[in-house]
Amino acid sequence: GAVVSQHPSRVICKSGTSVKIECRSLDFQATTMFWYRQFPKQSLMLMATSNEGSKATYEQGVEKDKFLINHASLTLSTLTVTSAHPEDSSFYICSAYRSGTYGEKLFFGSGTQLSVL
Amino acid sequence: GIQVEQSPPDLILQEGANSTLRCNFSDSVNNLQWFHQNPWGQLINLFYIPSGTKQNGRLSATTVATERYSLLYISSSQTTDSGVYFCDGRAGGTSYGKLTFGQGTILTVHP
Repeated sequence: GAVVSQHPSRVICKSGTSVKIECRSLDFQATTMFWYRQFPKQSLMLMATSNEGSKATYEQGVEKDKFLINHASLTLSTLTVTSAHPEDSSFYICSAYRSGTYGEKLFFGSGTQLSVL
Repeated sequence: GIQVEQSPPDLILQEGANSTLRCNFSDSVNNLQWFHQNPWGQLINLFYIPSGTKQNGRLSATTVATERYSLLYISSSQTTDSGVYFCDGRAGGTSYGKLTFGQGTILTVHP
């Protein structure tokens, strides 16, 4: 079946550094990917929609300059948390949207636990 | 946007028990999905069910669109069913993947 690979699974960084998270669709082309954020024991919050070859669409309240999204190919979207601070610590999840012969479905990455010290 | 209310918020079961999870929606939806997030964070799409009933093994889901609710049934629960179950409802024309999750039902199945 379709697989979405997300790396790294866990990252610990110092305050002020930037962290890049990759989301890859391994066996299908994803023109659209999504990035979510999840705090402990809370639901997922959609941060942005990543569109291949164009600018990402951010949800209200999400800082574009803080969370840089690049979707340079049909199989890769990256989320860069710039100048990370402790309040950016969270669980980040990506998803990739597949449509076509086998129907429409969302596939999720395994998530990235970011801890900013 | 559409508001999603999930119940119960928490559910504890003995292995082998059956359970029903519910999602209520504030307005009509024509895209509805159920998801399971395991204790390690991995999310899986369980059902896409804008209306009617679907079954997949021990799981089944029913959506009554006219009454704005959906039910997820888990039969003969297993410890691997533990985790959080989310539902999402989309109004017509909204992007399929642009999800707004409910607060979820936390399911714990004890051996």
